[in-house]
Amino acid sequence: AQSVTQLGSHVSVSEGALVLLRCNYSSSVPPYLFWYVQYPNQGLQLLLKYTSAATLVKGINGFEAEFKKSETSFHLTKPSAHMSDAAEYFCAVSVEAGNQFYFGTGTSLTVIP
Amino acid sequence: EAQVTQNPRYLITVTGKKLTVTCSQNMNHEYMSWYRQDPGLGLRQIYYSMNVEATDKGDVPEGYKVSRKEKRNFPLILESPSPNQTSLYFCASKRTRSSYNEQFFGPGTRLTVL
Repeated sequence: AQSVTQLGSHVSVSEGALVLLRCNYSSSVPPYLFWYVQYPNQGLQLLLKYTSAATLVKGINGFEAEFKKSETSFHLTKPSAHMSDAAEYFCAVSVEAGNQFYFGTGTSLTVIP
Repeated sequence: EAQVTQNPRYLITVTGKKLTVTCSQNMNHEYMSWYRQDPGLGLRQIYYSMNVEATDKGDVPEGYKVSRKEKRNFPLILESPSPNQTSLYFCASKRTRSSYNEQFFGPGTRLTVL
């Protein structure tokens, strides 16, 4: 079975500071990993995905994530936070030949001016 | 514009009154899915469909029904809603069942059952 753990349900950073949102996964087979962002009163939008090509994945809006198999992690980073990054972020996992998608519980990012 | 649409966006109902939330996608996607989002629990999958007339249970299917008679539509049916089904519901679709594909989400339906 697959699962996702997001450490920290709330993260606050100052504008211009590094953003680090943590995601650890559990999977007995090679996973596909995704980060989604949810802005207030909106649906989820894909930020980036890992599909077994490069371990460092670049996404939209300056975000990137690195797949580390030894640590079973897929943490999301952005060098410099912007006010518009305030949102909820979800990590998700799926596996080939699996029909289901498993989400973490989400991390709410606040950006302080 | 490629999109997933849901209706209604907001719904307040009473216990036991049957309701349907519609979902439609215009991307010719094979795979569609329903999720519910609750505070502190993230998104949990209710049902999914790999193609027309092919549906299966997700993690929290109790109290819900779905059908997939056409490729573009995937309605969620609550035959006898209860207050514990008060939640934010999302429909999603992806091109095929392959895990490589990302999902595209609708705007959500906020349901309150009194």
